[in-house]
Amino acid sequence: EPEVTQTPSHQVTQMGQEVILRCVPISNHLYFYWYRQILGQKVEFLVSFYNNEISEKSEIFDDQFSVERPDGSNFTLKIRSTKLEDSAMYFCASMDYGYTFGSGTRLTVV
Amino acid sequence: SQQGEEDPQALSIQEGENATMNCSYKTSINNLQWYRQNSGRGLVHLILIRSNEREKHSGRLRVTLDTSKKSSSLLITASRAADTASYFCATDPGGYQKVTFGTGTKLQVIP
Repeated sequence: EPEVTQTPSHQVTQMGQEVILRCVPISNHLYFYWYRQILGQKVEFLVSFYNNEISEKSEIFDDQFSVERPDGSNFTLKIRSTKLEDSAMYFCASMDYGYTFGSGTRLTVV
Repeated sequence: SQQGEEDPQALSIQEGENATMNCSYKTSINNLQWYRQNSGRGLVHLILIRSNEREKHSGRLRVTLDTSKKSSSLLITASRAADTASYFCATDPGGYQKVTFGTGTKLQVIP
């Protein structure tokens, strides 16, 4: 069964550093999403992406965040200057007729 | 209440018992999905029920949907210790819009 692949599975970074989280969506899917889950809390929507554009973003997705589909296969989430409160599990999802989520990247900001 | 609010927040049962979790939502949906998440791990898709369906089964899982009450329930029959996890409902309004997750039910199955 096709999968959404996320790398790395766990990333530790210093506060203030930039991080890039990578996702490879299912190849024929056209809609892509990032969600995050702070430990012990619910899964929250960050941003949706279609046709090389952001189609919707939440208030969490401020100027520190950006998304890109640099090469037609990868879908990346960049956090420019990480804060302690960015520590969370980040999930990528892609959609055709149904959602498929990746297994997540655990980001720890120290 | 929020879109996708679940109860109970936590549930502890003995192995072999049934576990029922409920999800209520506010806006109209195209479908509703249930996910499992083991502690600190990824989301595992369990089952999807469309707005025109009332009940769906998958193995030991039974999901119901009542669109008039804007609620869904997930029943796990004959629970096992391995079912210990958090369970989330997620509402999909359709049209490639975002899904919205509920607050989750933390299930503990005691061997």
